[in-house]
Amino acid sequence: QKEVEQNSGPLSVPEGAIASLNCTYSDRGSQSFFWYRQYSGKSPELIMFIYSNGDKEDGRFTAQLNKASQYVSLLIRDSQPSDSATYLCAVGQGGKLIFGQGTELSVKP
Amino acid sequence: KAGVTQTPRYLIKTRGQQVTLSCSPISGHRSVSWYQQTPGQGLQFLFEYFSETQRNKGNFPGRFSGRQFSNSRSEMNVSTLELGDSALYLCASSLGDGGNSPLHFGNGTRLTVT
Repeated sequence: QKEVEQNSGPLSVPEGAIASLNCTYSDRGSQSFFWYRQYSGKSPELIMFIYSNGDKEDGRFTAQLNKASQYVSLLIRDSQPSDSATYLCAVGQGGKLIFGQGTELSVKP
Repeated sequence: KAGVTQTPRYLIKTRGQQVTLSCSPISGHRSVSWYQQTPGQGLQFLFEYFSETQRNKGNFPGRFSGRQFSNSRSEMNVSTLELGDSALYLCASSLGDGGNSPLHFGNGTRLTVT
């Protein structure tokens, strides 16, 4: 079992829709969770981080964390074509981040 | 505030050579982490430095090494290059622990080994 799992996609949504990206992790003791966006040929860019159970909102982005289910998600409201990228989930563990393989999101005009 | 700066952006080396990559963190960030990104393995942790000390190390062979200077700038070195070392090498800085604080990545160094 991989430590951090994401659906590889591609996830395709129409412009203006809500994109839902999901991530599960195996280490129940993990305390910090991050979402990064990576455009093709570019480096990862931090979008959100969350430490406590529940929702955290920042503009069009909402991170949701459920430690009991070992599940973290990212919702993107009013998706735009410029949101098309690979989204990486990362979990803090022992002084480092463990990354999932990423979910490719495609937003169609 | 300037972001994380990595040099060089691109490198082409031959098997058996060695290479040194450089990273300047965001001003005020004392933690510097290095990651390797490949299409097959994704992003994998190499090591983290804080106040000139290696605080954490990933599961890479001893050919991969690094150091951090008193101004928090960091270098990583790969000796005896192998074809499989071809990858994007990413440096990231953070205010605190590289596993609990948000990491801010540089643009990366793309290394090609021929």
